[in-house]
Amino acid sequence: AQSVSQHNHHVILSEAASLELGCNYSYGGTVNLFWYVQYPGQHLQLLLKYFSGDPLVKGIKGFEAEFIKSKFSFNLRKPSVQWSDTAEYFCAARYNQGGKLIFGQGTELSVKP
Amino acid sequence: DTGVSQNPRHKITKRGQNVTFRCDPISEHNRLYWYRQTLGQGPEFLTYFQNEAQLEKSRLLSDRFSAERPKGSFSTLEIQRTEQGDSAMYLCASSPPGGHSYNEQFFGPGTRLTVL
Repeated sequence: AQSVSQHNHHVILSEAASLELGCNYSYGGTVNLFWYVQYPGQHLQLLLKYFSGDPLVKGIKGFEAEFIKSKFSFNLRKPSVQWSDTAEYFCAARYNQGGKLIFGQGTELSVKP
Repeated sequence: DTGVSQNPRHKITKRGQNVTFRCDPISEHNRLYWYRQTLGQGPEFLTYFQNEAQLEKSRLLSDRFSAERPKGSFSTLEIQRTEQGDSAMYLCASSPPGGHSYNEQFFGPGTRLTVL
């Protein structure tokens, strides 16, 4: 079955620390990959997306993710986090063009000032 | 505000009652999606429409759930005979036309349902 898994449920970092959140997806042919963020009290917003081409994708607010096909991974990274990055982060995959997203369980990130 | 809107934002109901939620997508977005999110989990797909056609329904969607998009614009999600397990955040998303694989889904704020 198509699935997405996120390794960490809750990550706590101090400001300026580097961030890496893990995401693995199941094999299913062509896949589009996404990272969404949900800030406290707000709706889901797209951070970045991968469809094809350069496996290193840059998104908003200094986030980037690397698609590693051999590992079925799409990890999210940021070199230096800020308190304002405190949020829940969701990895998602889409296996059919235009179709549904399959989400991971989410990772709650807490950044201490 | 030109984003996806959902109403109501909160709904408290008693077990056994019917509830209906509304989603207004971004103007000219032809695809509309419904998801359900429970605490500590990512959103789970329920169903989606392209214009007024319902193209896919999740097996999670019991017979008590029905969704419509009669004119290809707004959509409603109805839950009949609600159960406590239906308590969740119901999310709506829309995406633009073109059949382009680059299309992203834009999410609304959700309707939080509490079944007592």
